[in-house]
Amino acid sequence: AQSVTQLDSQVPVFEEAPVELRCNYSSSVSVYLFWYVQYPNQGLQLLLKYLSGSTLVESINGFEAEFNKSQTSFHLRKPSVHISDTAEYFCAVSRPNSGYALNFGKGTSLLVTP
Amino acid sequence: DVKVTQSSRYLVKRTGEKVFLECVQDMDHENMFWYRQDPGLGLRLIYFSYDVKMKEKGDIPEGYSVSREKKERFSLILESASTNQTSMYLCASTPSGTARYEQYFGPGTRLTVT
Repeated sequence: AQSVTQLDSQVPVFEEAPVELRCNYSSSVSVYLFWYVQYPNQGLQLLLKYLSGSTLVESINGFEAEFNKSQTSFHLRKPSVHISDTAEYFCAVSRPNSGYALNFGKGTSLLVTP
Repeated sequence: DVKVTQSSRYLVKRTGEKVFLECVQDMDHENMFWYRQDPGLGLRLIYFSYDVKMKEKGDIPEGYSVSREKKERFSLILESASTNQTSMYLCASTPSGTARYEQYFGPGTRLTVT
């Protein structure tokens, strides 16, 4: 079965510092991996996705994630964070046998302070 | 843009009441999903549907049922609400075909059962 583990429940960081949110997955089949973001009192928004091709995927707001098959990881990074990046971040893996539902990690709360 | 709407943002119900949570999508998507989100647990799949009148159990279906009489509408039913069903409920949809991997989420319904 496909599953993901987010290794950090909370990540505090100062504004303009780099950040890495860690995600490891387990799967016996080809994986499709996602990062979703949830800003306070809002729904989930897709941040970026890996389906195939280049192992480095980028979002429009400066985040990137690298699919690493040998380490079964899909860590999310940003070189310089803003206060507005404060949110809950969820890593997820697709479940082909469940209508392509998603298995989510437990989430990482990113708190950016001045 | 795909739009997924949920009937209520906040809902307060009493123990034992029958509760209906409604979800509507406007992009003719075949697949629809219900998740519940709890702090520290991430999102967990309750039920999904890949066609009208079709439904499949997810990971935590106990205490819930669903109805899909029309393609655009997917309802989650709590037959007899209990306090442990206090949660955030999120609906999502995806098309079939090559775009089926990306889920579009509604804003969520925060249900409190007292």
